[in-house]
Amino acid sequence: QQQVKQSPQSLIVQKGGISIINCAYENTAFDYFPWYQQFPGKGPALLIAIRPDVSEKKEGRFTISFNKSAKQFSLHIMDSQPGDSATYFCAASKDQGAQKLVFGQGTRLTINP
Amino acid sequence: GAVVSQHPSRVICKSGTSVKIECRSLDFQATTMFWYRQFPKQSLMLMATSNEGSKATYEQGVEKDKFLINHASLTLSTLTVTSAHPEDSSFYICSAVRTAGSYEQYFGPGTRLTVT
Repeated sequence: QQQVKQSPQSLIVQKGGISIINCAYENTAFDYFPWYQQFPGKGPALLIAIRPDVSEKKEGRFTISFNKSAKQFSLHIMDSQPGDSATYFCAASKDQGAQKLVFGQGTRLTINP
Repeated sequence: GAVVSQHPSRVICKSGTSVKIECRSLDFQATTMFWYRQFPKQSLMLMATSNEGSKATYEQGVEKDKFLINHASLTLSTLTVTSAHPEDSSFYICSAVRTAGSYEQYFGPGTRLTVT
């Protein structure tokens, strides 16, 4: 119930295309859903996050779509660029439990020029 | 703002020795810090939660006597890997929470530990 399942494991998108990464969770107590970007040998960096009171949040080229009834959320990267090539992690946490993050398995995104 | 640093960035040590990794919040006071480990091409796994002035809370399966965590101030937490073995070789990453009750975690750049 603590798991967050992420797919796909890897994704190749052409430059200018839309990259879509999906996550699903079981624990309905989760109420914070961030996405992180990680480059090789670096720590994760927060990209965008959403709370369950909204269904969508957009920041620049990055959009989170959230479906509370389906317990799913996704990251959309519009106009994908080679510099977006990285590993992306979704995560979830809940108010109780010191805001501990549960991470998805990660998606290795490659944007072909 | 919200910069977290780690030192060292990489370390190689011999089996049986101990290694200390520092995690610092540079421009804010961190009420809570977290320690993760990440094996190649895998996700981050939470090891422990560190609160300033109190004992760390370890996740199930993490040996607290092997991975010693000290959070002596609001800007510094340390992870000491005691009697390190090759299987402890991993990427160790810390994160810090800026405000009590805040959800946002700011991650450090990670420390690559190699035990020979």
